[in-house]
Amino acid sequence: QVQLQESGPGLVKPSQTLSLTCTVSGASISSGSYYWSWIRQPAGKGLEWIGRISTSGSTNYNPSLKSRLTISVDTSKNQFSLKLSSVTAADTAVYFCVRAAYTYYYGMDVWGQGTAVTVSS
Amino acid sequence: QSVLTQPPSASGTPGQRVTISCSGSSSNIGSNTVNWYQQFPGTAPKLLIYSNNQRPSGVPDRFSGSKSGTSASLAISGLQSEDEADYYCATWDDSLNGSVFGGGTKLTVL
Repeated sequence: QVQLQESGPGLVKPSQTLSLTCTVSGASISSGSYYWSWIRQPAGKGLEWIGRISTSGSTNYNPSLKSRLTISVDTSKNQFSLKLSSVTAADTAVYFCVRAAYTYYYGMDVWGQGTAVTVSS
Repeated sequence: QSVLTQPPSASGTPGQRVTISCSGSSSNIGSNTVNWYQQFPGTAPKLLIYSNNQRPSGVPDRFSGSKSGTSASLAISGLQSEDEADYYCATWDDSLNGSVFGGGTKLTVL
């Protein structure tokens, strides 16, 4: 059973870089036809796709975040990460790491529990 | 403002059939498959429908999806109280080169 677990600081100061890591258990992050993705959800609002990285390392980013965003994979640790620079209060949200599987036409079939990040001084 | 448009709310009584619409454009729904997600408060979303009308294992057949042109719909038949949740549509957008979500629909079972 594949499980995803987000980790990282819950509080980030404005203008700093938000860094989150997602640890994958139950499967190898470097095999299979998957995209490893990040989704966020501000309190009381809808879901926003942040970006994704494939098992081959190719990335796609939300155009509105692209200039500040880096998603990477560490196969040795079976983890993938998100770095979002120059954060503002608008980046305050629950961040989910997610697997999108070819089996489901890249529907997002496995989700982490989410981690709350607040941007505040 | 979401790229995909959903009604903010929907409601029905137990046993009824309700539908939730999702409207997009030629660059997203018009040229890609649609997925639907169910989310309960305080929890992560769950994949409910993929590829327009396919159910992952374990999803009751009361849930069904359809797509026509640049719109998609989620139907829930035999509505139950435990279906009260938020529902999101999502697809790939070729112009944005990224995934897009609808704004979500809050379903209330009266």
